[in-house]
Amino acid sequence: DQQVKQNSPSLSVQEGRISILNCDYTNSMFDYFLWYKKYPAEGPTFLISISSIKDKNEDGRFTVFLNKSAKHLSLHIVPSQPGDSAVYFCAARSGGGSEKLVFGKGTKLTVNP
Amino acid sequence: GAGVSQSPRYKVTKRGQDVALRCDPISGHVSLYWYRQALGQGPEFLTYFNYEAQQDKSGLPNDRFSAERPEGSISTLTIQRTEQRDSAMYRCASSLRIGQGNEKLFFGSGTQLSVL
Repeated sequence: DQQVKQNSPSLSVQEGRISILNCDYTNSMFDYFLWYKKYPAEGPTFLISISSIKDKNEDGRFTVFLNKSAKHLSLHIVPSQPGDSAVYFCAARSGGGSEKLVFGKGTKLTVNP
Repeated sequence: GAGVSQSPRYKVTKRGQDVALRCDPISGHVSLYWYRQALGQGPEFLTYFNYEAQQDKSGLPNDRFSAERPEGSISTLTIQRTEQRDSAMYRCASSLRIGQGNEKLFFGSGTQLSVL
């Protein structure tokens, strides 16, 4: 029973265009949502996060949007660059005093020059 | 180095053997986490520590798995009587402070465990 779902295994976009990565969740008790980026042969690296009490957080080219009523979040990358090509994981914190993160399966983003 | 260090990088073992995976977190980081990642999947939570205290071990699959962090720094994940289904990438992560939800986790490169 997957609590965090990334339904698109892969996404391909042109350099300079917008990349939109989507994530759905089922547990309304999640209190923080995070995005991690992973290059081959490396561990995931933190990208951006958002509290469940907010609906948008922006950091440079990266913006995360949260729609609590739909239990949906998305990561926007504008403009996309070839160096953004990586696997992106959506994660959610369980809340209730635990720091446990629940991860989705990831979406592989390819940005073509 | 300045990052989270895990050893060994690769471990091949025979079914039934015990293995110990080591994690050296970033110096000064309070919290330490263990995750397991199967091919094509996201990281799956195993357990985490604040200092030397194990806070949540709900993700450990069964009693063959245990973890310790006796001095609040280096941690060891031990798998006893390994089985083929234990084969995966085992990832350690650390964070500077006790979690505030948006606390960055710094992941190591992982230990790839193969049980034959």
